[in-house]
Amino acid sequence: DVKVTQSSRYLVKRTGEKVFLECVQDMDHENMFWYRQDPGLGLRLIYFSYDVKMKEKGDIPEGYSVSREKKERFSLILESASTNQTSMYLCASSEGGYTFGSGTRLTVV
Amino acid sequence: GQSLEQPSEVTAVEGAIVQINCTYQTSGFYGLSWYQQHDGGAPTFLSYNGLDGLEETGRFSSFLSRSDSYGYLLLQELQMKDSASYFCAVTTSGTYKYIFGTGTRLKVLA
Repeated sequence: DVKVTQSSRYLVKRTGEKVFLECVQDMDHENMFWYRQDPGLGLRLIYFSYDVKMKEKGDIPEGYSVSREKKERFSLILESASTNQTSMYLCASSEGGYTFGSGTRLTVV
Repeated sequence: GQSLEQPSEVTAVEGAIVQINCTYQTSGFYGLSWYQQHDGGAPTFLSYNGLDGLEETGRFSSFLSRSDSYGYLLLQELQMKDSASYFCAVTTSGTYKYIFGTGTRLKVLA
């Protein structure tokens, strides 16, 4: 089975901090995605990547950036965390259907 | 733009059948998928429809009508463990990215 691992289950950060969320998959998938999930809004796509060093904006990229230096790792970066970025962040890997990581619940105070 | 609509909540009793509908508006539609998410857990893939018709996987079935921009997830012989949120998601031609609906919370009562 594909395993997608997100480095932290819970994070608390201060406003203005630079935050790194890490995601690693072990099945050599080319496609990786970052979503955030908020009550009543479902899952919204932040960024995705089809290959190493390749990235494309999703629907809500503002305030975020990403890095894909190796095929198995896709990092989400909050350049200067704000309270409206408090959310559940989900990473997914795909060669068709998605396999999600267990999520990182980020609180920005 | 692209949008998906599904009911916010559905309640049913154990052993019953429930249908969760999903209507979508999207350009370049390629396929419709369904995901299940238990509270505190990650979404897990349930089914995919690329062509019109019914796909069956055990107690779960999924249906697609491309002409009506409509699909549904059918859950039979409901069990308490089916209490979860269910998301429909569309993918468009030439991409692996999914656009998700806002989810339907299913409550199964004893």
